[in-house]
Amino acid sequence: KQEVTQIPAALSVPEGENLVLNCSFTDSAIYNLQWFRQDPGKGLTSLLLIQSSQREQTSGRLNASLDKSSGRSTLYIAASQPGDSATYLCAVRDYGQNFVFGPGTRLSVLP
Amino acid sequence: NAGVTQTPKFRILKIGQSMTLQCTQDMNHNYMYWYRQDPGMGLKLIYYSVGAGITDKGEVPNGYNVSRSTTEDFPLRLELAAPSQTSVYFCASTIGGRDTYEQYFGPGTRLTVT
Repeated sequence: KQEVTQIPAALSVPEGENLVLNCSFTDSAIYNLQWFRQDPGKGLTSLLLIQSSQREQTSGRLNASLDKSSGRSTLYIAASQPGDSATYLCAVRDYGQNFVFGPGTRLSVLP
Repeated sequence: NAGVTQTPKFRILKIGQSMTLQCTQDMNHNYMYWYRQDPGMGLKLIYYSVGAGITDKGEVPNGYNVSRSTTEDFPLRLELAAPSQTSVYFCASTIGGRDTYEQYFGPGTRLTVT
């Protein structure tokens, strides 16, 4: 059974720092991996989606990498801003219709 | 496009009551999903549908039912509500087929069962 973990559970950094969020999954047979942002009391907003054949995806200050063989993905946020404060979740999709989510990393960027 | 919409936003139910959570998408997506999110946890898949008339169970289907009579709508039915069903419920959709399967989420329904 696929399991997804995220480290750290919470992170607090000063504004301007570069930071890395980690996502690990136990079964490498995935179709894709998606990173989401969730603001308190809100739904999920898709940030980046990496297909299983890809190594990384970039969008603005965000870069996500995928190492399927080791079961790991990282989300890199450059020059963090207070507006980046949110919970970040990763989810893997297997070759059926099952999406498995990690518990999330709660990020606080302090001005 | 409104994307994925959910109603209601909030609801309080008494134990044993029933209700239907509504989900509609206007993106002509084939695949739709229902998740629940408990505090401090990731999302767990309740049910999903790959097209009108086709539904299947996810990881935590007990106590719920779904139907998919149209491409746009995917309601989730709670029968005999229990305190364990207190959660935030999210509906999502993807276009399916040979596409990227990027998921789009609704804003959620916060349900409390007392």
